[in-house]
This record gives sequence, C-alpha cells and structure tokens, in this order.
Amino acid sequence: DAKTTQPNSMESNEEEPVHLPCNHSTISGTDYIHWYRQLPSQGPEYVIHGLTSNVNNRMASLAIAEDRKSSTLILHRATLRDAAVYYCILRAGSGNTGKLIFGQGTTLQVKP
Amino acid sequence: NAGVTQTPKFQVLKTGQSMTLQCAQDMNHEYMSWYRQDPGMGLRLIHYSVGAGITDQGEVPNGYNVSRSTTEDFPLRLLSAAPSQTSVYFCASSSLSGRRDNEQFFGPGTRLTVL
Repeated sequence: DAKTTQPNSMESNEEEPVHLPCNHSTISGTDYIHWYRQLPSQGPEYVIHGLTSNVNNRMASLAIAEDRKSSTLILHRATLRDAAVYYCILRAGSGNTGKLIFGQGTTLQVKP
Repeated sequence: NAGVTQTPKFQVLKTGQSMTLQCAQDMNHEYMSWYRQDPGMGLRLIHYSVGAGITDQGEVPNGYNVSRSTTEDFPLRLLSAAPSQTSVYFCASSSLSGRRDNEQFFGPGTRLTVL
C-alpha cells in the first residue's frame, strides 16, 4: 500500500480557513485519496475523497495536485468542533477490498 | 439504522483470559473490519472480511481470530489475552459496490485493558 506523509500537528484560529497537507509521492494511477477524521474519544468518520479533480462537500474541500503526488484538505471556517486527528489515506481503486491503512495523521488544534 | 454497534464499551481482562468483542451493522454492508488503536497512535488493521464466509488478515493479526457467518456480524476473539493487547478496538463496515464504497462507517469502540 502506498504511504502518505502528514505533519504531526497544526494549529488554527476559530473561523479561519485551515489547509491540511498530505504528501503521497508513490501514489498509483488508480489510488483514491481519502480523508477521515477522529474526534476525541470517537471512531473515525469519513470527510471526503477524490481521484484527480478537486472535490467539495458540506464538510470540506479537497485540492489535488496536478501530478497527484500531494493533496490538501481545506476546512473553510474552522470551528472548535473541528479539533481532531485528520488522516490522509490512499485506497486502491481497482480490485477494491475495502481496506483502509491509517498513518499517524495530523492533530489539528483550533483556538478560540 | 443503528449503524455499526460494538459491545462491550469497556472490558478488563486478566492475562490468559479469552473473550469475544462483538460488532454488528444493519446497513447490509459486505465489508467489515477490526482495528486497534494504541494511545497516541493511528489505527492498525487486525482482520477484515469482504463477505460472509470470507476473512483475511490485516497488519497485526496475531493473537486474534475472526469469523463471518452472517453479513451483519463480525466478532473478534482474543484467545489468550496479553497486556500488549490493551487498546481501543474499532469495528468498521462499508459497501463494496457503486458509489457507496467510498465511505467506511466506524463503531464507537471497545476500550480493553489486560492486567
């Protein structure tokens, strides 16, 4: 499974945008980029995913580099509830077995 | 829908005891999996299943057994608990078909302590 690299931690102020980076230089052509987050004392929850094009949903936006070797999760206006560990995960698009391999993730702190 | 449910929420075992962690989902998902999460760490995949009667090993399968006799249930068995198995255990499920295979749903976790 291709690996991802994320900063250990980031800080943001409430109501400001947050850009969470992820490097995945060994990504293959069929790998999807998934983001999950884990709030304190809870199981992970799905945030967003993409393949080549930028994606938006009600929670966040995902910006994918043209060469797909990196991506950025964008929270447009951080709230205190967005304080969590954010995981960037590559998932095989072909022969999908459903597996998700988690890395260390980025711990996001949001200051009032 | 209840989603993914796990029981018990908390459990304390003595070294050498056995137990089964229960996981159930009511979304008719083909895929189910078990993860463990040690303090300050990311999740590590223990075992997974792509359908009833089919299971496979993940990253850290030693000391754990699974079976999948129904679509809904995916129990995780600790045969002889060891202190190194002290962790929080998460079960997850997802569909494997169509657009819905993009999202995995996680249970609330079981916090296990082995003395």
